[in-house]
Amino acid sequence: AQSVTQLDSQVPVFEEAPVELRCNYSSSVSVYLFWYVQYPNQGLQLLLKYLSGSTLVESINGFEAEFNKSQTSFHLRKPSVHISDTAEYFCAVSEESGAGSYQLTFGKGTKLSVIP
Amino acid sequence: NAGVMQNPRHLVRRRGQEARLRCSPMKGHSHVYWYRQLPEEGLKFMVYLQKENIIDESGMPKERFSAEFPKEGPSILRIQQVVRGDSAAYFCASSPTGKVGGYTFGSGTRLTVV
Repeated sequence: AQSVTQLDSQVPVFEEAPVELRCNYSSSVSVYLFWYVQYPNQGLQLLLKYLSGSTLVESINGFEAEFNKSQTSFHLRKPSVHISDTAEYFCAVSEESGAGSYQLTFGKGTKLSVIP
Repeated sequence: NAGVMQNPRHLVRRRGQEARLRCSPMKGHSHVYWYRQLPEEGLKFMVYLQKENIIDESGMPKERFSAEFPKEGPSILRIQQVVRGDSAAYFCASSPTGKVGGYTFGSGTRLTVV
């Protein structure tokens, strides 16, 4: 069975400082990895994903994540955060269930608070 | 192209009542997933449906919960005889193919049971 661990439930960081949100997963087969962002009272928006190929993936708003198979990690990083990055971030893993379902297994989330 | 539409956004039910949550997928999407977000928890998979078929309901509670996705109209998640523990945010996501990486999430329905 797959699982996702987000080690930090809350991360405060000053504006323009770098940030890393940690994510580790466990899975017995090939995995697909995702980061989603959730703003208050809204749904989830896909931030970036790793399906195959280059282990470093980037989003359009400056976030990046690196798939590390040996460490079973998919940490999210941004070199300089903005106030607008304040949100909750969820790491997720997907694999085919055997019933044709690509359900996502989510971590418990990390609340990023950017301090002016 | 409108996104995934969920309604109502907020729903209040008394214990023992029924809750019906609706999800209209994006145009051209025939695959729907439902997830539940309990307070201080991540999202948990509930059920995966294609038009007129339940493909995977391994995450659904055994009693009181049911889901459908008819040929016409939205997908419905139905909770009978609600209890306080059902209070949560319920999200649906749609996909054109059901394959990995193709999800678009709705804004969710926040159910409060009083």
